[in-house]
Amino acid sequence: AQKVTQAQTEISVVEKEDVTLDCVYETRDTTYYLFWYKQPPSGELVFLIRRNSFDEQNEISGRYSWNFQKSTSSFNFTITASQVVDSAVYFCALSEAGSGGGADGLTFGKGTHLIIQP
Amino acid sequence: GAGVSQSPSNKVTEKGKDVELRCDPISGHTALYWYRQRLGQGLEFLIYFQGNSAPDKSGLPSDRFSAERTGESVSTLTIQRTQQEDSAVYLCASSLVPGLAVQVAKNIQYFGAGTRLSVL
Repeated sequence: AQKVTQAQTEISVVEKEDVTLDCVYETRDTTYYLFWYKQPPSGELVFLIRRNSFDEQNEISGRYSWNFQKSTSSFNFTITASQVVDSAVYFCALSEAGSGGGADGLTFGKGTHLIIQP
Repeated sequence: GAGVSQSPSNKVTEKGKDVELRCDPISGHTALYWYRQRLGQGLEFLIYFQGNSAPDKSGLPSDRFSAERTGESVSTLTIQRTQQEDSAVYLCASSLVPGLAVQVAKNIQYFGAGTRLSVL
């Protein structure tokens, strides 16, 4: 069975600080995808990144960076120089390789509520 | 359309009533998903449609929940005899092509804003 754990329920930092959101996953598959989504107060989930299990390269996109470590089953997300607009709930999610017609639904963590104070 | 559209955005109903939630996926997306998000929780997968194939209903919590989709168009999620524990945000997502074969890139799921269901 697959599982995603986001141990940090809520994080509060002051603007311009760096912050890392943790994600630990469990899966028996060797082929899988990991995702991060942002859910601002408006409620709509916004896709941030997808990473496949065969690519452990870290990725940087502006102030966002992701650290994928298969050895520790972690896919952590760092925001550098945080801004108030980064305040949202962030979800990490996992999708395992299906059998073609199987469920391709994502398994989500419970989310981390990030509060950036001005 | 430009994004996934869900209606209504909010629905208040009385316990025991039936409700119907609608999802209009991104045009051309063959796969459609329904999720439920309870207050303060992550998303729970409910059901998945791919084209004209039989839907994967493995996530539906009870037989009071059902969903339909005609071809690659609009989907409706129906909850019969609603209970208070059904109160949640129901999110719909669509993706261009499903499947997770190594040779085929997993397509990203794009989400609608959800329907907030409150059962009194």
